[in-house]
Amino acid sequence: QSVLTQPPSVSGAPGQRVTISCTGSSSNIGAGFDVHWYQQLPGAAPKLLIYVSINRPSGVPDRFSGSKSGTSASLAIAGLQAEDEADYYCQSYDSSLSGWVFGGGTKLTVL
Amino acid sequence: QLQLQESGPGLVKPSETLSLTCTVSVGSLSTSSYYWGWIRQPPGKGLEWIGSFYYSGNTYYNPSLKSRVTISVDTSKSQFSLKLSSVTATDTAVYYCARQSSMIVVVSNFDIWGRGTLVTVSS
Repeated sequence: QSVLTQPPSVSGAPGQRVTISCTGSSSNIGAGFDVHWYQQLPGAAPKLLIYVSINRPSGVPDRFSGSKSGTSASLAIAGLQAEDEADYYCQSYDSSLSGWVFGGGTKLTVL
Repeated sequence: QLQLQESGPGLVKPSETLSLTCTVSVGSLSTSSYYWGWIRQPPGKGLEWIGSFYYSGNTYYNPSLKSRVTISVDTSKSQFSLKLSSVTATDTAVYYCARQSSMIVVVSNFDIWGRGTLVTVSS
């Protein structure tokens, strides 16, 4: 049972827009702590995709965007491409655990 | 460009201690700018933070693993290590080491990762 809750899977057709939610609580996202997103391609290590809720590292397409409100955050992917098919994880800090926490992950399927 | 590389046995017997090392290719582990951490991923499952350290010597552990985990650092070799004691089959996972981007815990993310190493716990 992950501290941050994500849908197990989402899907969309090429060119469509999908969103992945990440729901936390008052001890993590709701406390104002930043949310970060990672993309994990099959067989690879996770890669930082969005940091501090809305920022993209150099090289990440602007099709990827993040947002945060209250105890939740979202990752949006516009103009879906086949290479976006991957697992996506959110991450934050939790004051109750005094440590960093991940969501359970969401598998994105491009139809 | 900074790279991290995990190394250690790929097979550990139940009840024994898992030991892994992360070698950092560039820069110093003594910098005040970063935390350095360990994360694991059981086969087919999600990511779990194990623990992290800061150059000052402070270490932070996942409460669910705290009683079994030790993270140490050898700055002269640009390496940090993970020891997990009394392992069982549920500790079978890919273990990653990673740099954390900020010394401020509430904004810190894992911005550079090693490729990971699979550790199987089996007799």
